Amino acid sequence: EVQLVESGGGLVQPGGSLRLSCAASGFTFSNFWMSWVRQAPGKGLEWVANIKQDGSEKNYVDSVKGRFTISRDNAKNSLCLQMNSLRAEDTAVYYCARGDGTANWGQGTLVTVSS
Amino acid sequence: DIQMTQSPSSLSASVGDRVTITCRASQGIRNDLGWYQQRPGKAPERLIYAASTLQSGVPSRFSGSGSGTEFTLTISSLQPEDFATYYCLQYNSYPRTFGPGTRVDIK
Repeated sequence: EVQLVESGGGLVQPGGSLRLSCAASGFTFSNFWMSWVRQAPGKGLEWVANIKQDGSEKNYVDSVKGRFTISRDNAKNSLCLQMNSLRAEDTAVYYCARGDGTANWGQGTLVTVSS
Repeated sequence: DIQMTQSPSSLSASVGDRVTITCRASQGIRNDLGWYQQRPGKAPERLIYAASTLQSGVPSRFSGSGSGTEFTLTISSLQPEDFATYYCLQYNSYPRTFGPGTRVDIK
């Protein structure tokens, strides 16, 4: 069974940093693109970033380019999202998802950016 | 960026009703489209990929169709557990973009 478990969310001040992690199991992690998607409170879904199987290609939505970095460790079946220079508008539940077409999702981790 | 629109934005329906949701892309995306269901307080679940391929384990009352710029999700006979919000996602070009969602409520 595919399992994706996010961690690392919390309350951070504007301008601060946070690192999200996603632990994957139940599939061959190194065979799949991986993605991050977020959802602001009461709002719709927004694709944030994805990363190729070997980490050689990374893509981002414009609003996070230069501030967020997606990475992966295939030896540890782990996906990360380093978030710097956080803004109030980054407040959201962040989901880790398997594949570019996001076949499977974790339960999400809440990031709140507020002073 | 490719803009995705959905119609209607919300609908009220009864158990047993046939429901159709439309998703339109601002430019052609072949069949690079998925449909997702999100129940309140839960993570989204994929129902359909490649516009018309049913995700394993998803009931056959769900179906998808379309190609290019216009797509539909159909629920042939609405069940109580289907009351949720539905999103489409294009994965043809970057950035990937979701539709704004269609909320399906109980009439």
